Amino acid sequence: GDSVTQMEGPVTLSEEAFLTINCTYTATGYPSLFWYVQYPGEGLQLLLKATKADDKGSNKGFEATYRKETTSFHLEKGSVQVSDSAVYFCALIRGSNYKLTFGKGTLLTVNP
Amino acid sequence: NAGVTQTPKFQVLKTGQSMTLQCAQDMNHEYMSWYRQDPGMGLRLIHYSVGAGITDQGEVPNGYNVSRSTTEDFPLRLLSAAPSQTSVYFCASSPGAKNIQYFGAGTRLSVL
Repeated sequence: GDSVTQMEGPVTLSEEAFLTINCTYTATGYPSLFWYVQYPGEGLQLLLKATKADDKGSNKGFEATYRKETTSFHLEKGSVQVSDSAVYFCALIRGSNYKLTFGKGTLLTVNP
Repeated sequence: NAGVTQTPKFQVLKTGQSMTLQCAQDMNHEYMSWYRQDPGMGLRLIHYSVGAGITDQGEVPNGYNVSRSTTEDFPLRLLSAAPSQTSVYFCASSPGAKNIQYFGAGTRLSVL
C-alpha cells in the first residue's frame, strides 16, 4: 500500500538557519504530494502542494519539488523564524482517491 | 467563513461511556473524514464519506461509528469508550478527489 516516510525529529534550529525536512513516498502511479503544518494547539493546514513530477510547491518561503525519480518531496526554507515552530506532515493522495496518507510528522523548534 | 467546526474541544470520559464528536462544514464539500492523531503515529484515517448517505472504513475503524445524513455534518460516535481511544481527533473536508483537505481544530479526548 501507499506510505510516506519523513525525517523523524525533533529538529531544533536557530533563527535564520536553513531547514530541510526529508520526505520519501511509496505509491503506484502519480500521486499528488502535500506538506501540511500544525501549529501548537491547532488543526492541520495546507502549506504547499505539487500534483505532477518536477512541480515545485511554494508558500511562506517554504519550497518542495516533486521528484519522481527519487520518489521524494523534501521541504526546504532558506531562513527559518521562531514563528515556523510547528509539526510538519508530508502526505500523498493517489489517483482519484480522496484518502490522504500521512507521514508521522516532524517537530520543528526554532530558537531566537 | 467558519470552515470545519468541531465540538467539543476537550472531553473526558469513563471507560464504557458513549459520546458523539461533532463535525460540521459550511463549504458544501462532498468529502469528509475523521482522523486520530497519536504521538509518533502521525494521523490515521478512521472513517470517511464521499457524500451524503455514503460512508466507508479507513485504517482504524474499530470502536467507531459514523453516518452522513447531510452534506454539512459528519458525526463520529464512540459506543463504548476504551482507554485506547484516548487521542486527538480531527475532522477534515475536501471539495473533491486529490484536492486540498481542510481540517478542524480538533477534539482532545481522554478515556479514564
